[in-house]
Amino acid sequence: AQSVTQPDIHITVSEGASLELRCNYSYGATPYLFWYVQSPGQGLQLLLKYFSGDTLVQGIKGFEAEFKRSQSSFNLRKPSVHWSDAAEYFCAVAREKTSYDKVIFGPGTSLSVIP
Amino acid sequence: SQTIHQWPATLVQPVGSPLSLECTVEGTSNPNLYWYRQAAGRGLQLLFYSVGIGQISSEVPQNLSASRPQDRQFILSSKKLLLSDSGFYLCAWSVHSTSGRSEQFFGPGTRLTVL
Repeated sequence: AQSVTQPDIHITVSEGASLELRCNYSYGATPYLFWYVQSPGQGLQLLLKYFSGDTLVQGIKGFEAEFKRSQSSFNLRKPSVHWSDAAEYFCAVAREKTSYDKVIFGPGTSLSVIP
Repeated sequence: SQTIHQWPATLVQPVGSPLSLECTVEGTSNPNLYWYRQAAGRGLQLLFYSVGIGQISSEVPQNLSASRPQDRQFILSSKKLLLSDSGFYLCAWSVHSTSGRSEQFFGPGTRLTVL
């Protein structure tokens, strides 16, 4: 069965520092991968997605993620964090060839940013 | 452009009372629709999904039910709320696709507190 793990429950970084949020997935075929961000009390917003092709994908707000098949990972990165990046981040994987687009979400990583 | 609405934004209900949460999508036709619950400090749990009018699938057994009376309307209901029904309820939609390549777009959520 598919699963998504995010090893870090909570991360704190200083503003201006680099950021990497980890995501590992378990899926037998080529996965479709997503990163979403959720600000407190809000819905989820898509940051970026990977379907195929270039394994380094660019997203909104200066985020990028790299798909590494050998490590079953899809880590999210940002070179310089802003205070407004403080939020909950969810990695997700979708199955192909199903009758609906079921997405499995990871448990989330909470990001705090120190001024 | 497409938009998704949820109401109410917040709700406080006594145990044993009924529930009705509504979600509507604008700007698209025949979307897949989803209801998720997010308990405090936890990830997203898929409750129901729908690939068409009157077609509802449940992911987990629970005290809740869902209906889709119109193409772009998705309703989450309960006859008698339990304390454990408290949480943040998110509605989402995606383009109807069998490829798994379309991302989900989330509404702003409803915060439900059962007392």
